[in-house]
Amino acid sequence: AQTVTQSQPEMSVQEAETVTLSCTYDTSESDYYLFWYKQPPSRQMILVIRQEAYKQQNATENRFSVNFQKAAKSFSLKISDSQLGDAAMYFCAYRSAGTGTASKLTFGTGTRLQVTL
Amino acid sequence: GAVVSQHPSRVICKSGTSVKIECRSLDFQATTMFWYRQFPKQSLMLMATSNEGSKATYEQGVEKDKFLINHASLTLSTLTVTSAHPEDSSFYICSAARAAGSYNEQFFGPGTRLTVL
Repeated sequence: AQTVTQSQPEMSVQEAETVTLSCTYDTSESDYYLFWYKQPPSRQMILVIRQEAYKQQNATENRFSVNFQKAAKSFSLKISDSQLGDAAMYFCAYRSAGTGTASKLTFGTGTRLQVTL
Repeated sequence: GAVVSQHPSRVICKSGTSVKIECRSLDFQATTMFWYRQFPKQSLMLMATSNEGSKATYEQGVEKDKFLINHASLTLSTLTVTSAHPEDSSFYICSAARAAGSYNEQFFGPGTRLTVL
């Protein structure tokens, strides 16, 4: 079974600064997807970024980028130019490359990000 | 596009009663839907995976007779908590998978807060 570990329960960053959230995972599969989701106080899950394991290039979405190290099974999220609206719970998630039941997500325990003025 | 709704958003019920939560994909057909449970300040835990027209696949430790899942159409899945007890109080989130080639993108509903008195 796959596991996802987020070792930082809470992180804090000043507005306009950069912060990196850590995530490691364990799997025996070679093809899979990794995600970062944001959950603001509204509890609505929002997809931040997605990485396909077979792609070596790190995914980027505006101020969000990942550092994907497949051999080390590490998948960190970097948030640049942090904004107050970035404050939320961030979950790292893993899913297999299959469809149907195989596409279920396994979540890490989450990192609560605070953004200060 | 790709909107998933849940109804109700909040429900309070008495111990021993049953509660039904609906999850609808509003603008796409979802061959697979997932039900998650989230306790306060914790991560999302997958309860079950439902495929349209077939029985749901429950995760280990989830009582299938207590959490009844029906996926009668490509746009609707329901979760019924039978004989609810205070320990069933939680935040329930569904997600719906939209097929996009070999990749099933998941979209999350806004969640349902269940309180059992």
